[in-house]
Amino acid sequence: GAVVSQHPSRVICKSGTSVKIECRSLDFQATTMFWYRQFPKQSLMLMATSNEGSKATYEQGVEKDKFLINHASLTLSTLTVTSAHPEDSSFYICGGQVNEKLFFGSGTQLSVL
Amino acid sequence: DAKTTQPNSMESNEEEPVHLPCNHSTISGTDYIHWYRQLPSQGPEYVIHGLTSNVNNRMASLAIAEDRKSSTLILHRATLRDAAVYYCILRDVYTGGFKTIFGAGTRLFVKA
Repeated sequence: GAVVSQHPSRVICKSGTSVKIECRSLDFQATTMFWYRQFPKQSLMLMATSNEGSKATYEQGVEKDKFLINHASLTLSTLTVTSAHPEDSSFYICGGQVNEKLFFGSGTQLSVL
Repeated sequence: DAKTTQPNSMESNEEEPVHLPCNHSTISGTDYIHWYRQLPSQGPEYVIHGLTSNVNNRMASLAIAEDRKSSTLILHRATLRDAAVYYCILRDVYTGGFKTIFGAGTRLFVKA
């Protein structure tokens, strides 16, 4: 299967700081990447779909200015959590598509103190 | 995207087969049935997918009802490493920008 590399796997930051999460497709070109958030014991919640070379599509209720997504190349999409607060603490997961299948990164556990 | 319904949890003994059901009564003709699983603290992992016919791969089998309103993921011999949350998902590749909505999934417990 295709490989999606996500970094960092874990990050702890102070409230008010910004955190960038990188998602790379190692062996395929990803014109689209999906960003999910997952709280403990809950399912994945789709936040946004990033599109290479154009603006991301955000799901209802997700703040565009808070969760900045950049997809500047076919192998890299980034999610920046700006001015992070404790309620942003969550497990963030990115994924790309190859043919009909989805392949996901290993996730980033964000803890905001 | 059409919704799916799965049991919250299931339990299995190691080395025994496991049948994980999924109902998708509002499935459309262009919806593929996908299964993914998520191990603790990991991103989801692709398991199998199909459209109308039953499918087999090295990980599992997918049995699709004739009316396509339900499907069953079959793990032929459960191991402790199969303990995970299994998600049944419908993906219409012609609409919605391919976005995938995850339901609650089924948490599979495997007993030694």
